[in-house]
Amino acid sequence: ELKVEQNPLFLSMQEGKNYTIYCNYSTTSDRLYWYRQDPGKSLESLFVLLSNGAVKQEGRLMASLDTKARLSTLHITAAVHDLSATYFCAVDDHTDKLIFGTGTRLQVFP
Amino acid sequence: DTGVSQDPRHKITKRGQNVTFRCDPISEHNRLYWYRQTLGQGPEFLTYFQNEAQLEKSRLLSDRFSAERPKGSFSTLEIQRTEQGDSAMYLCASSSGVYNEQFFGPGTRLTVL
Repeated sequence: ELKVEQNPLFLSMQEGKNYTIYCNYSTTSDRLYWYRQDPGKSLESLFVLLSNGAVKQEGRLMASLDTKARLSTLHITAAVHDLSATYFCAVDDHTDKLIFGTGTRLQVFP
Repeated sequence: DTGVSQDPRHKITKRGQNVTFRCDPISEHNRLYWYRQTLGQGPEFLTYFQNEAQLEKSRLLSDRFSAERPKGSFSTLEIQRTEQGDSAMYLCASSSGVYNEQFFGPGTRLTVL
């Protein structure tokens, strides 16, 4: 059974700082997704990573995938308050359904 | 492109009552998914359709839950004899193509008293 773990679960960081969120998964997969969720809202798709070595960037966020290590990272550069949200990684388990991690709650303070 | 829509957005019901939720996917998407999310957790898969065919159901989906997608368009999720443990956000998502990027609706928040 595919399991997806994220760490840290909670991240409090100062504006302007850099940090990385990690997503590990337990069985092989070459499709990994990152989502953002604001409190009380639904999920917004951020990145789709489809192969080993894939790297995607959007603004201050950059995601990468290492399928051999079963690891994805979401790097935050020079954090701003607007990035405060919960970030989920999700892995396709080869049957088209997504298995989600527990999420990383990010708070950016001045 | 109007995105995925769900109705109602909020539902409060008493234990033992039946409830039904509706999801309208993005029009050209052939896959439709239902997930459930409780506070502080990631979404958990419940079931999914490709066109009108229900292809998979989670073990989480007891026989009190039923989902349909007639004609491969909108979908309904019905919960019979609701229990307090059914209180959660029910999310619908749709996708198409090989990349299977799933787009989520706003969710239906169910509270069972």
